[in-house]
Amino acid sequence: DAGITQSPRHKVTETGTPVTLRCHQTENHRYMYWYRQDPGHGLRLIHYSYGVKDTDKGEVSDGYSVSRSKTEDFLLTLESATSSQTSVYFCAISVPPGGYTFGSGTRLTVV
Amino acid sequence: GIQVEQSPPDLILQEGANSTLRCNFSDSVNNLQWFHQNPWGQLINLFYIPSGTKQNGRLSATTVATERYSLLYISSSQTTDSGVYFCAVEPRVDSNYQLIWGAGTKLIIKP
Repeated sequence: DAGITQSPRHKVTETGTPVTLRCHQTENHRYMYWYRQDPGHGLRLIHYSYGVKDTDKGEVSDGYSVSRSKTEDFLLTLESATSSQTSVYFCAISVPPGGYTFGSGTRLTVV
Repeated sequence: GIQVEQSPPDLILQEGANSTLRCNFSDSVNNLQWFHQNPWGQLINLFYIPSGTKQNGRLSATTVATERYSLLYISSSQTTDSGVYFCAVEPRVDSNYQLIWGAGTKLIIKP
């Protein structure tokens, strides 16, 4: 996937526990994104980053935080996981114009 | 915010048939992309097409920006074309290259 890896690929966690998902890129791109995908919906943007320590909220940011301390890593944290955060999470990089590449996704189940 | 609507929501065809998928969007955009999500969940960028027509093998796409729609054509369908096709747009204002997604068209190609 053009140098993007997500970890873990699958995770089951309990309600109320913190969870961190990792996105790693090898291509030094500036823009990185976290999306979630739920049945019947397209992807929805959670947070994005336009550089080291530069992040902003997306459409569905409540309950999530992000950090980007290095160009290659973009972390998504669920501070206290809830069942409504059960979803598939995708990381993406953007190479304007129009070059959008996705990671393979992380399937998160909150029980 | 901008709305993206895709039709039809579901499409079942025999192998060898042709199909047209439609994407309508409610406001001006900088960018429009078509993606294919295969049955294993992987997202593949098919076309970056803010306007005009592009072709790639059996697939082609046309965007009429002034009328705010895009069409994806699949000719001589194969079973490997099955999956969900998403249209995603980058709003013209303050987007930071983030994409707003339609709900997708689920395509099933029967052998």
